[in-house]
Amino acid sequence: GEDVEQSLFLSVREGDSSVINCTYTDSSSTYLYWYKQEPGAGLQLLTYIFSNMDMKQDQRLTVLLNKKDKHLSLRIADTQTGDSAIYFCAEWNTGFQKLVFGTGTRLLVSP
Amino acid sequence: DAGVTQSPTHLIKTRGQHVTLRCSPISGHKSVSWYQQVLGQGPQFIFQYYEKEERGRGNFPDRFSARQFPNYSSELNVNALLLGDSALYLCASSTAGQGMDTIYFGEGSWLTVV
Repeated sequence: GEDVEQSLFLSVREGDSSVINCTYTDSSSTYLYWYKQEPGAGLQLLTYIFSNMDMKQDQRLTVLLNKKDKHLSLRIADTQTGDSAIYFCAEWNTGFQKLVFGTGTRLLVSP
Repeated sequence: DAGVTQSPTHLIKTRGQHVTLRCSPISGHKSVSWYQQVLGQGPQFIFQYYEKEERGRGNFPDRFSARQFPNYSSELNVNALLLGDSALYLCASSTAGQGMDTIYFGEGSWLTVV
């Protein structure tokens, strides 16, 4: 089956690290994506990781993948108020040629 | 370089009407996909097109249709609009529509059905 789950809400203080978690169920997943959505806007691609990798780092962003547990996380270092947004985890479903999205995690960064 | 462009950005339609949404992919990208995002939820896959051929279809009624043109732009058509069709419609662009491609989204078209 296909199901991507995320926690709904995360609140952090400016300067702290944020960790957004995601679990997926499709064993045929090949690529896993993180997107950011600000109010009233489309989806901004943040990063993606291939399922045979354990970790990927891109500036303030670190993605960790535990394929055995089908668990994906996005760590944002030195979180800023501009990072406040909804973050979506998505898996690429090869069989249906589509992205399957989670429900999104709303990140609130307070000064 | 222009990103994925969608039009219109906002529109209001009445129940039973028809709507056409348009998308221009990033230059060089041959695949366009459409997603529907209802308020408070993640995007749901509607269609994928590659080289003018439909490659994938999500669980949407036949009222939803799409096509891709020789210049790789795409249209999404929805007939007999229902209140539940109110959503943000997102277009995604990629080189070949595969998972290893980098998949970019446009800003979306906000559809309100009254």
